[in-house]
Amino acid sequence: NAGVTQTPKFRVLKTGQSMTLLCAQDMNHEYMYWYRQDPGMGLRLIHYSVGEGTTAKGEVPDGYNVSRLKKQNFLLGLESAAPSQTSVYFCASSRNLAGSNYGYTFGSGTRLTVV
Amino acid sequence: KQEVTQIPAALSVPEGENLVLNCSFTDSAIYNLQWFRQDPGKGLTSLLLIQSSQREQTSGRLNASLDKSSGRSTLYIAASQPGDSATYLCAVRLITSGSRLTFGEGTQLTVNP
Repeated sequence: NAGVTQTPKFRVLKTGQSMTLLCAQDMNHEYMYWYRQDPGMGLRLIHYSVGEGTTAKGEVPDGYNVSRLKKQNFLLGLESAAPSQTSVYFCASSRNLAGSNYGYTFGSGTRLTVV
Repeated sequence: KQEVTQIPAALSVPEGENLVLNCSFTDSAIYNLQWFRQDPGKGLTSLLLIQSSQREQTSGRLNASLDKSSGRSTLYIAASQPGDSATYLCAVRLITSGSRLTFGEGTQLTVNP
């Protein structure tokens, strides 16, 4: 099925460990996003990309890095995980602004726990 | 800064009831507004998208309206069913923030059989 695929679905990290979350979309969307969702805080944008090779900071970028080497993939990296990064991470994609009548498509999420 | 507010935060209704969920936003310069559904432990499923030039969109038992000038949107669910139980999120795509969405915190809906 076409859509946004996130891997892994669950992960437990120890403080200080690093990991990469992978997001892949097969809809040829130009824009991709990483959000985190926390109780009482809603969904907050971490980083986003408006095209292959480009990235930009969102609302809460500290402690994360991203890369978009291929149009269909958007990677989110945690270099040194902290308990404050325990959250559910969602990737999303959308067409560019010229197609603003199109909405976002979300992945099913990655539940990350940092102990 | 754009703020998106959803009222109520939680709602419990008996099966069969018609209901309205509310979303308000402070900056009316939007491209569109999107309603999502989120089941516990799951991702977000898009329900309806209303462009800034539109007044409403309908899909099955769902109807979403948009009043951009007053900064309000409503999601109307007709003849509610237990399977409608979920958290409903609205999000706006601001002209000044490019492609980014700003989300409300959601309304948690429970439909009791």
